[in-house]
Amino acid sequence: AQKITQTQPGMFVQEKEAVTLDCTYDTSDQSYGLFWYKQPSSGEMIFLIYQGSYDEQNATEGRYSLNFQKARKSANLVISASQLGDSAMYFCAMRGVSTGGFKTIFGAGTRLFVKA
Amino acid sequence: ETGVTQTPRHLVMGMTNKKSLKCEQHLGHNAMYWYKQSAKKPLELMFVYNFKEQTENNSVPSRFSPECPNSSHLFLHLHTLQPEDSALYLCASSQDRSGIDTQYFGPGTRLTVL
Repeated sequence: AQKITQTQPGMFVQEKEAVTLDCTYDTSDQSYGLFWYKQPSSGEMIFLIYQGSYDEQNATEGRYSLNFQKARKSANLVISASQLGDSAMYFCAMRGVSTGGFKTIFGAGTRLFVKA
Repeated sequence: ETGVTQTPRHLVMGMTNKKSLKCEQHLGHNAMYWYKQSAKKPLELMFVYNFKEQTENNSVPSRFSPECPNSSHLFLHLHTLQPEDSALYLCASSQDRSGIDTQYFGPGTRLTVL
């Protein structure tokens, strides 16, 4: 069965510090993709970063990086130099062949609070 | 205009009303999706269209009726909804059915059923 687990319902971080949001996944697929989305209070789901299961290097996009540990089936999001605008819900997601080709499995999300 | 747009952004309707949600993508994608996001629940996939053909119906009640006239437009027709249908409805699109391509989301329609 496909599953995404985000164990941190809420996280606090001081402005300008780095924060790691945890994500573990379960899949029997050999080929899959892992995604992180940000959802501010406005509701829009904003794509942040993607990691392919065969990518040997961790993905990076500006202040976002994905700490991909395939053997441990974890795909943690690292946000460096947190900003007040980073306060939002963050969702980890996965797509693979056995999720029906189109199905994306989402985690329950982590709410991040950035303190000034 | 860029990305994925949705209208209206907010909708309040009675249980006997009929309304429609509209989604438009300007990314040249071939697949479009409807998701429902209820409070304290993970995103639920409702429908998937690929090249205008419905490829996924995730056991959605018939009071929700999707329509995809072309690869750029997706509608969700609503009729005789229930208060528990109140939620954020998100539209998304992706390039094709590679299975691992990135989905891009619209801003959502926040629906309240009275």
